[in-house]
Amino acid sequence: AQSVTQPDIHITVSEGASLELRCNYSYGATPYLFWYVQSPGQGLQLLLKYFSGDTLVQGIKGFEAEFKRSQSSFNLRKPSVHWSDAAEYFCAVGGNIAGNMLTFGGGTRLMVKP
Amino acid sequence: EAGVAQSPRYKIIEKRQSVAFWCNPISGHATLYWYQQILGQGPKLLIQFQNNGVVDDSQLPKDRFSAERLKGVDSTLKIQPAKLEDSAVYLCASILGMGLYEQYFGPGTRLTVT
Repeated sequence: AQSVTQPDIHITVSEGASLELRCNYSYGATPYLFWYVQSPGQGLQLLLKYFSGDTLVQGIKGFEAEFKRSQSSFNLRKPSVHWSDAAEYFCAVGGNIAGNMLTFGGGTRLMVKP
Repeated sequence: EAGVAQSPRYKIIEKRQSVAFWCNPISGHATLYWYQQILGQGPKLLIQFQNNGVVDDSQLPKDRFSAERLKGVDSTLKIQPAKLEDSAVYLCASILGMGLYEQYFGPGTRLTVT
């Protein structure tokens, strides 16, 4: 069965500081990996995705993520956080198994201190 | 291009009542998903449609939940009768077709069961 673990439920960083959100996955085949962001009262917006190829992927809003197969991880990073980045972040795994179905992690709530 | 539309945005009902949610996916998107997102958790897939056929409904509580997509376009999710634990945000997502993995999400319907 596929699963995603986001070990950090809450993270607080200062504006301008760097950010790393952790994501570990379990999947029985080649995974497709995603990071979504959800602001209060909003739907999910895709930040970036990994299907194959270069293991460092760039996304919107200055975010990037690195796929590490040996560690079953897909951590999200940003070099300098802005106050508007405060939101909930979800990592998800999917793929050819089970018809594109996505399995989401429990989310990490990011708070940004001024 | 219009996004995924959902209505209503908010609904409050008493337990044992029934409720229905509506979703209109992005035009031309053949695959449609319904997710349940309980507060503090990641979204969980309830049902997946490909055109007007069900691909996966293994996590749908069929004793009280039902969903349809009769003409392969918009979809309705119904709960009857509702329980307190059904309080959640119900998200609809769509993709162009099987094999294309970027899911586009609607804003969701927040259901409160009292």
